[in-house]
Amino acid sequence: LAKTTQPISMDSYEGQEVNITCSHNNIATNDYITWYQQFPSQGPRFIIQGYKTKVTNEVASLFIPADRKSSTLSLPRVSLSDTAVYYCLVGDSNNAGNMLTFGGGTRLMVKP
Amino acid sequence: DGGITQSPKYLFRKEGQNVTLSCEQNLNHDAMYWYRQDPGQGLRLIYYSQIVNDFQKGDIAEGYSVSREKKESFPLTVTSAQKNPTAFYLCASSIVSGTYGYTFGSGTRLTVV
Repeated sequence: LAKTTQPISMDSYEGQEVNITCSHNNIATNDYITWYQQFPSQGPRFIIQGYKTKVTNEVASLFIPADRKSSTLSLPRVSLSDTAVYYCLVGDSNNAGNMLTFGGGTRLMVKP
Repeated sequence: DGGITQSPKYLFRKEGQNVTLSCEQNLNHDAMYWYRQDPGQGLRLIYYSQIVNDFQKGDIAEGYSVSREKKESFPLTVTSAQKNPTAFYLCASSIVSGTYGYTFGSGTRLTVV
């Protein structure tokens, strides 16, 4: 499974756009990139998933360059409720067990 | 509504006791997983199962056991052999193939007293 590296923490202010970058130099051809959000004492929640270029949904955008060795989660106009831990995961949907390895994630603190 | 239900939300265990954490899903997902999370840390995989009556060890299986007798259920037993069981336990499920994403339960917080 491809290893990921992301910043340990980030601070932002309400209304700003937040970009969290994840490095995954060893990503394999069949791997997808998935981001999850976790609030304290809750299970992680799926945010967005992509394979290449750009994916956008009602919550976030995911930018993936052509070489796919990194990806950037973009949260537009964050609010205090976006304070959470964000995990970047890389894995193959056809991989036996579909196991996902969660690293330490990025702790985003949104300030008023 | 479809989802994953974990129970209990809080659990207290005396030293030397075995305890079982429940995980039930009605999403018709084939695969189920158990993760452990310690304060300020990421999630670590304990066990996973792709199909009924089959399961595999994850990274930290020692001191834990599981069963998968029904597709909907994947209980985790924390045995007395687990020397440091105090943690937040999360159950998840997913489809086995195709574009995937995990659905997580709300977790069980286990404390040794």
